[in-house]
Amino acid sequence: VQLVQSGSELKKPGASVKVSCKASGYTFSAYGLSWVRQAPGQGLEWMGWINTNTGSPTYARGFTGRFVFSLDHSVNTAYVQINSLRADDTAVYYCARQWLGQTYDYWGQGTLVTVS
Amino acid sequence: QSALTQPASVPGSPGQSITIACTGTSSDVGGYDYVSWYQQHPGKAPKLIIYGVVNRPSGVSNRFSGSKSGNTASLTISGLQAEDEADYYCSIYTSSNTFHVFGTGTKVTVL
Repeated sequence: VQLVQSGSELKKPGASVKVSCKASGYTFSAYGLSWVRQAPGQGLEWMGWINTNTGSPTYARGFTGRFVFSLDHSVNTAYVQINSLRADDTAVYYCARQWLGQTYDYWGQGTLVTVS
Repeated sequence: QSALTQPASVPGSPGQSITIACTGTSSDVGGYDYVSWYQQHPGKAPKLIIYGVVNRPSGVSNRFSGSKSGNTASLTISGLQAEDEADYYCSIYTSSNTFHVFGTGTKVTVL
């Protein structure tokens, strides 16, 4: 099982960014995928998850409006797009596979998004 | 929903046992047996070490153990080793719209 994320991004305030998470080694639609944010020197923050079977996203409080989760089943890839970027969006973004509906057993390597 | 509360740091000496507490409420930790613990080394992705309060994934050392009492979950690391120096996060899954909440994180320092 592997989750491989796209590379670091440097964006200006107000721009958009799309981070990808390519899954391999398992049946993509059998496990949900969550997104987790970690600001510099800070803790983990759950952003929400996407049902990889139905494509239905669920956003945590604080991650509604500017954040969009999506899928491309043809390449077993999940995406998070962040619009109207702000300086406080600077963080490492992780995707993580949901296991047993309650925990995360595999994580991507993380994608650093810098807004400056 | 607020983050679960963990001590900022816990020091320990090699070979010692340490325990990290994760405090929530009756609506999260106290109400569900879906507590997980993650280990994160600097610059690395988190790694699952405990799920379902007490279960270890395959390949995780049995020096790591989990428990829960009331609104507080705990992670115990026995026989502390230098490689255990890392940040540790608890998390809880609930059936509310928030679904998952992480703890504030604890830095374990091996003296």
